[in-house]
Amino acid sequence: DIQMTQSPSSLSASVGDRVTITCRANQGIRNYLAWYQQKPGKIPNLLIYDASTLYSGVPSRFSGSGSGTDFTLTISSLQPDDVAIYYCQKYDDAPLTFGGGTKVEIK
Amino acid sequence: EAQLLESGGDLVHPGGSLRLSCAASGFTFNQYTMGWVRQAPGKGLEWVSDINNNGAATYYEDSVKGRFTISRDNSKNTLSLQMNSLTAEDTAIYYCVRAGRLSWYDYWGRGTLVTVSS
Repeated sequence: DIQMTQSPSSLSASVGDRVTITCRANQGIRNYLAWYQQKPGKIPNLLIYDASTLYSGVPSRFSGSGSGTDFTLTISSLQPDDVAIYYCQKYDDAPLTFGGGTKVEIK
Repeated sequence: EAQLLESGGDLVHPGGSLRLSCAASGFTFNQYTMGWVRQAPGKGLEWVSDINNNGAATYYEDSVKGRFTISRDNSKNTLSLQMNSLTAEDTAIYYCVRAGRLSWYDYWGRGTLVTVSS
């Protein structure tokens, strides 16, 4: 099975900083990758699908890139409302594995 | 807007069984792949199972294969997960999810808690 590895596992940044989260697959998954945001005590919300397509209603400061094995989620200007755990998920084929998550905090 | 409402979570003994249900509304249920994702307390997300729109194709995470069965009733807009031979490792919040064009999940229910403990 394909494994999904996210890095870092946590980060702390200042408001307005550019934040980048990486997700790596140990085999190619084309662009079949989604990103989710889970705020404390809340259900996950879809941010990006097909590696780089912004889901409806998601702020434009979020962006995704990558294809094959290496993917990134970027927050161009970190806001207090972005405090959350971010997960990647592959969906090229079952099992539809999630990454381990990246916890984003405000410094 | 699409809504998903899970039910059936409970405290169950190891080796026991439980059936989760998800009532869907606000969209044409029979047009969408549906699934279950779980989250153990304080842990990350784990995909459990998917079923395609007409129920003809089902997919399972390795640790639940042979123990869990996903099904749907398109006449009642209901998704189900039959869970047998439960272990402590199955303790989690179980989310009902709707898949978009492919299996990225655009709608999530609030979740139902399954606790496996003696």
